Amino acid sequence: DQQVKQNSPSLSVQEGRISILNCDYTNSMFDYFLWYKKYPAEGPTFLISISSIKDKNEDGRFTVFLNKSAKHLSLHIVPSQPGDSAVYFCAAGPNSGGSNYKLTFGKGTLLTVNP
Amino acid sequence: ETGVTQSPTHLIKTRGQQVTLRCSSQSGHNTVSWYQQALGQGPQFIFQYYREEENGRGNFPPRFSGLQFPNYSSELNVNALELDDSALYLCASSLDPGAEKLFFGSGTQLSVL
Repeated sequence: DQQVKQNSPSLSVQEGRISILNCDYTNSMFDYFLWYKKYPAEGPTFLISISSIKDKNEDGRFTVFLNKSAKHLSLHIVPSQPGDSAVYFCAAGPNSGGSNYKLTFGKGTLLTVNP
Repeated sequence: ETGVTQSPTHLIKTRGQQVTLRCSSQSGHNTVSWYQQALGQGPQFIFQYYREEENGRGNFPPRFSGLQFPNYSSELNVNALELDDSALYLCASSLDPGAEKLFFGSGTQLSVL
């Protein structure tokens, strides 16, 4: 029972173009969403997050969009750079302030940005 | 500011053995969570430790246990290893048990033969 789904195992884009990574979730209790980036032999590093009270959050080249009615979020990277090549994980959690916060992750999408 | 560090980086064990993995939390963080990442999967929550006690657990059997020490570092112990325990084990620290942002170490790659 996968509560967070990343249906594209991989994505390849040209340098300078937009990368769009998608994520769907099924659990209505999820209230906070994060994207993590993972390079080989390293742990996941936090990239950007969004609370359910917002539909968009921007940080430099990275923008996350949330569509609560569709239970869908996406990460846009503009412009894409070769250094962005990594596995991107979508993660979701309940409302903040809980006593023991845990994240539910998708399987990840391997992004390759070609020079 | 030191990040999350884990040891060892790689480990090979045989079925039935026991293993201990170690984690030092990021400076200023008092909460440690452990995640298991099997090949081709996303990280899966094992448990969280806060104030030296287990503070939430995922769908893992009791042979997965942990400890947290007064300096907030933590251990993950797995008894009676099974082949399916082969995975990357990730430790994450956070400012408090309710914090959404987790800071991960590089992980311990465990292979069970």
